[in-house]
Amino acid sequence: EAGVAQSPRYKIIEKRQSVAFWCNPISGHATLYWYQQILGQGPKLLIQFQNNGVVDDSQLPKDRFSAERLKGVDSTLKIQPAKLEDSAVYLCASSFTSGRSHEQYFGPGTRLTVT
Amino acid sequence: QQPVQSPQAVILREGEDAVINCSSSKALYSVHWYRQKHGEAPVFLMILLKGGEQKGHEKISASFNEKKQQSSLYLTASQLSYSGTYFCGTEHLDGTSYGKLTFGQGTILTVHP
Repeated sequence: EAGVAQSPRYKIIEKRQSVAFWCNPISGHATLYWYQQILGQGPKLLIQFQNNGVVDDSQLPKDRFSAERLKGVDSTLKIQPAKLEDSAVYLCASSFTSGRSHEQYFGPGTRLTVT
Repeated sequence: QQPVQSPQAVILREGEDAVINCSSSKALYSVHWYRQKHGEAPVFLMILLKGGEQKGHEKISASFNEKKQQSSLYLTASQLSYSGTYFCGTEHLDGTSYGKLTFGQGTILTVHP
């Protein structure tokens, strides 16, 4: 079974530029998550989708971050404009359902460096 | 509210045991444990549900103390492959966090030959 795919794996941009990340979840997984992981910290949930609807985006900085999941499969996360503090690894995860206590499977992440 | 993990780091020799704790100030429904190696994605280990359930997988097991809002991960007879950062993710009983995980800051485990 293929895992969660993400691209690109690495991205370096200057502050105030824009960037987009792509995620393809495990086939059949209805729930998709985007996390931000700053070096030395645990993952922090940015947004959770159930199919193509948003379940939780309470921690998404909506003035600069946006995400969509068209057709309930692939998802993109965009940052515009980027700030230095956005430097982090952006992890995508998926689970079979959004119900309680379902394990989440993580992709390899995209390491973003903002200079 | 982010769960608190302890210790922050632990160094072991192969064959030694370790315990990693995860504590929450909010009522817990479940605790998820993940291991992350440097530069890699977190890998799921196990889920503990409220009720004091204990689970095990080979030489790694965990417990969930509902009264203390705490979970502990036990690594027995550690192997070099156990090295990595261990994260607990907590799911709370309040209606706003259904299916949503809040991760601790991580515990760095290093196993030496």
